[in-house]
Order: sequence, then structure tokens, then C-alpha cells
Amino acid sequence: AQTVTQSQPEMSVQEAETVTLSCTYDTSESDYYLFWYKQPPSRQMILVIRQEAYKQQNATENRFSVNFQKAAKSFSLKISDSQLGDAAMYFCAYRSAGRSQGNLIFGKGTKLSVKP
Amino acid sequence: DTAVSQTPKYLVTQMGNDKSIKCEQNLGHDTMYWYKQDSKKFLKIMFSYNNKELIINETVPNRFSPKSPDKAHLNLHINSLELGDSAVYFCASSRGPRNYEQYFGPGTRLTVT
Repeated sequence: AQTVTQSQPEMSVQEAETVTLSCTYDTSESDYYLFWYKQPPSRQMILVIRQEAYKQQNATENRFSVNFQKAAKSFSLKISDSQLGDAAMYFCAYRSAGRSQGNLIFGKGTKLSVKP
Repeated sequence: DTAVSQTPKYLVTQMGNDKSIKCEQNLGHDTMYWYKQDSKKFLKIMFSYNNKELIINETVPNRFSPKSPDKAHLNLHINSLELGDSAVYFCASSRGPRNYEQYFGPGTRLTVT
């Protein structure tokens, strides 16, 4: 069974600085997708960024980028120029590409605080 | 326009009661999901339906019964509510079970007293 591990329960960053959130996963599959979701206090789950395992190039979305290391099964999220609105829970998630079932497998989350 | 909506957003009820949470998506998606987020914020899949057909049924008590009257709706009915059912329940949808983009509803916070 696939598992996702986020080893940092909480992180803190100064406004305008850069922070990296860690995520590792375990799978025997070769084709899959990885995601970072943001959950602010409003509770809404917001997709931040996604990465297809077959792509070597790291995904980037504005201030958000990932460092995808397939051999190491590592998928970290870098937030540049942190803003107060980035404060939230961040969840790393895995989804198999090959199976007919499409559910996401989540890590336990990292709570990010942004200091003004 | 809300893509995935859930009602109610908050639900407070007593042990032993039966309650339902409704989910509707207007995205034309074929696949819908129910996730449970516990008090420690851990999210886990409960059920998934594709074209009104159940395709995922994780280890969830029989007191939980999903119902999909059509592709746009996936409701969650819970019988004989217990304290441990208190959680946030999220509905989500995607174009298909293999499509990777999942859109989440706003969540329903269920509190059982």
C-alpha cells in the first residue's frame, strides 16, 4: 500500500522569505501523480501544484515550486516570497495513475505560519 | 458559481441520531468521493462513485451509507451517530477515476454530542 509522510508537523517563515516543506512517499508503482494541497482556516482544500511522475521537470506555479526526486521518493514544496495569505495547513498527496480507483492518499499535513 | 457544494456546512447532533450530508457538483464530472478529516487533520478516503457506481469502499462502518441518485450528486447518510464520527467530511469530484484533478467541496463539520 502507498503511504505519504510529512515529517514536519509545523513550520514557520518570515514574510517575503522562502520556506521548503518536505514530503516523502512509498510506492511500488512507476506511474503516479503527486500533489500539494493548501487548507487555510476557511477549511477549503485548494490545489497548489501537481507533478506527474513520468515528467522529470519540476512543476512550478508562480511562487510555488517542487523538488521531485523520483528515485528518492521525495516531493518537497518550496514557497518563495512568502505572504501572510500562505499561512495554512499543507498536505502532500499521492494518486495512482494506473488503477481505476482515483482516490488521493494524504500525508498528515504541515502547518505553516507566516510571520509579518 | 460553486463547483462542488455541500450542505450543511455545520451539523451538530446527538449520539444515536441519523443524519445526511448532501453533495452536488456542477462540473459534469463522472467520479465523486467522500473523504473524512479527523481531529488531527488527517484526511482519508471513505467512498468513491463513478457514474453512480461504487468503486471504492474503504473500511468504514456499515452505519455510513453513500447514495448517488445521479452523477451530479453523492450523499452521505450516517445512522446511529457516535462521538467518534465527529469530523469534517469533504466531498470531491473529478472528470473520471483516472483523471488526476480533484475538486473539493467546502467541507461539513459534524459534531456529535
